[in-house]
Amino acid sequence: DAMVIQNPRYQVTQFGKPVTLSCSQTLNHNVMYWYQQKSSQAPKLLFHYYDKDFNNEADTPDNFQSRRPNTSFCFLDIRSPGLGDAAMYLCATSRDFDDEQYFGPGTRLTVT
Amino acid sequence: ILNVEQSPQSLHVQEGDSTNFTCSFPSSNFYALHWYRWETAKSPEALFVMTLNGDEKKKGRISATLNTKEGYSYLYIKGSQPEDSATYLCAFYNQGGKLIFGQGTELSVKP
Repeated sequence: DAMVIQNPRYQVTQFGKPVTLSCSQTLNHNVMYWYQQKSSQAPKLLFHYYDKDFNNEADTPDNFQSRRPNTSFCFLDIRSPGLGDAAMYLCATSRDFDDEQYFGPGTRLTVT
Repeated sequence: ILNVEQSPQSLHVQEGDSTNFTCSFPSSNFYALHWYRWETAKSPEALFVMTLNGDEKKKGRISATLNTKEGYSYLYIKGSQPEDSATYLCAFYNQGGKLIFGQGTELSVKP
């Protein structure tokens, strides 16, 4: 049974058109993370939530926002996608910060 | 700047070969080292979480060692099988509370 679910698996959006990626979890974990991975590069942490406390990485562009309306769901909003935002976006959860992370399958975003 | 380096970037082996690859990380402010396996079209899956210098962990044919003083970890696969084909990611967790990933080693095992 899937524990971290990401929808959609593939998303195509137009340059400048807002897009939302979603993540849900059935693990009741406290922490939820969003990572961006570009081809052959390391996954890069964008932000995370510990419960409702939001932590934005210093180098995450302002174009990227996140919402966590409840424990189970977390959203990544890209307000005005550029061509450089095309990437795999991974959602992960963990019980606490130093525990192993459980990942979703990712959403591959294409910007045309 | 905290860098986690993995080598080699890719590896092609024959079924039955044993193989190993390396993760290098900063030796200061160490808290934990994670290994993940990421098969194509699937979710990354945790293999090991290692915290103690000298730690050795094993899961089936896969094992890992940790040297926190010199800042490296090795992942070993004994008798590689085609189903071991995946990208293997290591991630360094420092006392600042952030998991920093390497770029991964892509393993391909030919039958």
